[in-house]
Amino acid sequence: EVQLVESGGGLVQPGGSLRLSCAASGFTFSVFDVHWVRQLTGKRLEWVSAIGAAGDTYYPDSLKGRFTISRENAKNSFYLQINSLRAEDTAVYYCARGELGIGMDVWGKGTTVTVSS
Amino acid sequence: AIRLTQSPSSLSASVGDRVTITCRASQGISSALAWHQQNPGKAPKLLIYDASSLESGVPSRFSGSGSGTDFTLTISSLQPEDSATYYCQQSNSYPLTFGGGTKVEIK
Repeated sequence: EVQLVESGGGLVQPGGSLRLSCAASGFTFSVFDVHWVRQLTGKRLEWVSAIGAAGDTYYPDSLKGRFTISRENAKNSFYLQINSLRAEDTAVYYCARGELGIGMDVWGKGTTVTVSS
Repeated sequence: AIRLTQSPSSLSASVGDRVTITCRASQGISSALAWHQQNPGKAPKLLIYDASSLESGVPSRFSGSGSGTDFTLTISSLQPEDSATYYCQQSNSYPLTFGGGTKVEIK
């Protein structure tokens, strides 16, 4: 079964850091582009980051600098490092598989990040 | 960034009705548009990709059309299990973007 499973969410104080993980199974992870998408408390979906099969990375301008995506093909996993967390980063974070021109065809169930003192 | 404008933001329809949701892109994206369905507390689920291709396992009452800047998701005969929020998403270029969502309710 093709599957993505997130972990690493939780309650973090403003200014703190967090590393989210996504474990892939059921497909050849190394050949796919993968993404992080978050759903903010107002329910809007926001694309956060992508990493290509070749390791190329992408971010929206609004999130560049605080977010870092990486992958470890040997472990069929990818990660999102978030630094200097703010209240507005509170969201459900989903990992997803997807290619340009196709869209995101596999989604994890999500992990919740809450930034609060 | 490419902006996606969905309409309506919500709708209420009866079982068996034909439902249409539109998504307009701020610039041309060829056919690189996907539609996702999301139920409360669940992850989004891909319904349509490449504007009109039905994802495997998705009921045939769902269809997509359009290219360039104007796109449509149609549910030919609304079923109770179709009550959900629907999002369009462009995959033409980075940064990827989503529409604001359309909440579909059953009367």
